[in-house]
Amino acid sequence: QVQLQESGPGLVKPSQTLSLTCTVSGDSISSGGYYWSWIRQHPGKGLEYIGYIYYSGTTYYNPSLRSRVTMSVDTSKNQFSLRLSSVTAADTAVYYCAREAAGSSFGSWGQGTLVTVSS
Amino acid sequence: DIQMTQSPSSLSASVGDRVTITCRASQGISDYVAWFQQRPGKAPKSLIYAASSLHSGVPSKFSGSGSGTDFTLTISSLQPEDFATYYCQQYNHYPYTFGQGTKLEVK
Repeated sequence: QVQLQESGPGLVKPSQTLSLTCTVSGDSISSGGYYWSWIRQHPGKGLEYIGYIYYSGTTYYNPSLRSRVTMSVDTSKNQFSLRLSSVTAADTAVYYCAREAAGSSFGSWGQGTLVTVSS
Repeated sequence: DIQMTQSPSSLSASVGDRVTITCRASQGISDYVAWFQQRPGKAPKSLIYAASSLHSGVPSKFSGSGSGTDFTLTISSLQPEDFATYYCQQYNHYPYTFGQGTKLEVK
């Protein structure tokens, strides 16, 4: 059974870059067939789709964040990462990584990590 | 972006009740709808995909239906662990979008 685990700083200063990594176990990112995704949830609010990366490096970013988002994948470590630049307090949220299978949406999620943007 | 509008935003029910949550898309999305359950402080859990297919391990008390723009999630015989927030999500068009959530509370 696949497991995903987010890691990264819980506190980021305004204007800096938020960096998170999702470590996958129980499945190989390089085996293909899945879209490795990031989703966030502002405190007490709903869910916002950030985008995905495929094992080949193909990406999709939500246009609302596209100018600030970069995703990467490291198949040797079975990890994928999110970088969000020029953060503000509005980027304070719980960030989830998830695995999407074509046709069946997000079947597996990480536990989530709270990132607070504050000086 | 496709807007997903859930109703009601909150719902009070009792153990043993059957409840239905609806989700309306701002444009047709075939059956590319998923439903998730989120308990406080936890990650969302996938329940249903393709409008009516249950993810592995999800009990049959959960059922989904709909196509086009109107979708429903029905939960039968509510148990204490079912009181949570439920979200619909469309994955027919990028960017994927979620409903605002329906909080199911104990009456």
